[in-house]
Amino acid sequence: GNSVTQMEGPVTLSEEAFLTINCTYTATGYPSLFWYVQYPGEGLQLLLKATKADDKGSNKGFEATYRKETTSFHLEKGSVQVSDSAVYFCALSRVNRDDKIIFGKGTRLHILP
Amino acid sequence: GAVVSQHPSWVICKSGTSVKIECRSLDFQATTMFWYRQFPKQSLMLMATSNEGSKATYEQGVEKDKFLINHASLTLSTLTVTSAHPEDSSFYICSARAGEHTEAFFGQGTRLTVV
Repeated sequence: GNSVTQMEGPVTLSEEAFLTINCTYTATGYPSLFWYVQYPGEGLQLLLKATKADDKGSNKGFEATYRKETTSFHLEKGSVQVSDSAVYFCALSRVNRDDKIIFGKGTRLHILP
Repeated sequence: GAVVSQHPSWVICKSGTSVKIECRSLDFQATTMFWYRQFPKQSLMLMATSNEGSKATYEQGVEKDKFLINHASLTLSTLTVTSAHPEDSSFYICSARAGEHTEAFFGQGTRLTVV
């Protein structure tokens, strides 16, 4: 079946550090891949997405590349800020109308000033 | 991006009462809506998928008689927690998706506390 595995947190970094949050997936067919961010007490916001192999999604300095050969979609940012502290969810979805969005367990990120 | 509005954002109710949570897509027609439950510091657990005009599809282990889902129009879905108990206290999040896109937009969530 379809599943998403992401690195367990919490991840604690100092401001301006380099960030990587690993995400791998298992899926039949060709899923779309997403990263969502959840700030404290809020719902999820789409951070970036990629819909086919080798696509790179990017937003707010975050990037992730759809790697079909390694079934991965790792999230990276070159220089994190305190305001990036949140929970990050990797997710996949297929194109069919009724297909579910499958989430990873989430990775809590703490950025220290 | 598209906007999904969830109401209320928080609610406190007494044990045994029912609570209704609304999820509206404000600027697009949502053929599919999803309801999730999130426990503290955990991921989202999909409860059910609803398509406009048809019965919701519930995930294994989710009681359909306890969590009533109605998707009566292309812009509104409701989740009713019936005869709520303290163990139903949680953060409930809806998301909506238009038929031709894979991207889902999320509401801001509803924190339910049953006392």
